[in-house]
Amino acid sequence: DAMVIQNPRYQVTQFGKPVTLSCSQTLNHNVMYWYQQKSSQAPKLLFHYYDKDFNNEADTPDNFQSRRPNTSFCFLDIRSPGLGDAAMYLCATSKGRDTQYFGPGTRLTVL
Amino acid sequence: AQKVTQAQTEISVVEKEDVTLDCVYETRDTTYYLFWYKQPPSGELVFLIRRNSFDEQNEISGRYSWNFQKSTSSFNFTITASQVVDSAVYFCALSEGYRSGGYQKVTFGTGTKLQVIP
Repeated sequence: DAMVIQNPRYQVTQFGKPVTLSCSQTLNHNVMYWYQQKSSQAPKLLFHYYDKDFNNEADTPDNFQSRRPNTSFCFLDIRSPGLGDAAMYLCATSKGRDTQYFGPGTRLTVL
Repeated sequence: AQKVTQAQTEISVVEKEDVTLDCVYETRDTTYYLFWYKQPPSGELVFLIRRNSFDEQNEISGRYSWNFQKSTSSFNFTITASQVVDSAVYFCALSEGYRSGGYQKVTFGTGTKLQVIP
């Protein structure tokens, strides 16, 4: 089945220790998104890739970076995680402006 | 600016009851899309429906139905004969129909947590 996969499902890191979250898709969608979702809140868009073009939301902290080495994979790098970065991180894909389909998320804990 | 309001923070119903989740939106666009997503405790956002602003027909899919009314800027979601498996957070969302950049910018509501009690 075509799908969006995120690894790991749970990630524990230490304050200030860089961490990378992974997203892959078999939908062959050209747009990939990263969202941050804190407890009891709506998902918040961090950035997206339209093909190879990276687009940052204006309020996304510099601490968050992303890489998309090919169509299928996208990575979220948190350079120096703080306690406030503990959240669920959701990856989504779409074909252009079409519906977004989400992965299962990675729950990040910062100790 | 776009805005989606889900005034119901939490709803509890007894199994087999019907329940309606409210969604009110604001946009200046004449072309836009409305969505409902389900987020079970596992965390994944599951796509349920997409509606474009030109299609006001109500839709039914099994126990789920959606009522879109442009006159009141509402897109309500009804679950008939609720089941325990329906327990989740439900998000209503809005995206602009035409936007430069070729991607979909979605504004989510704050979600309604539905608990179905056996």
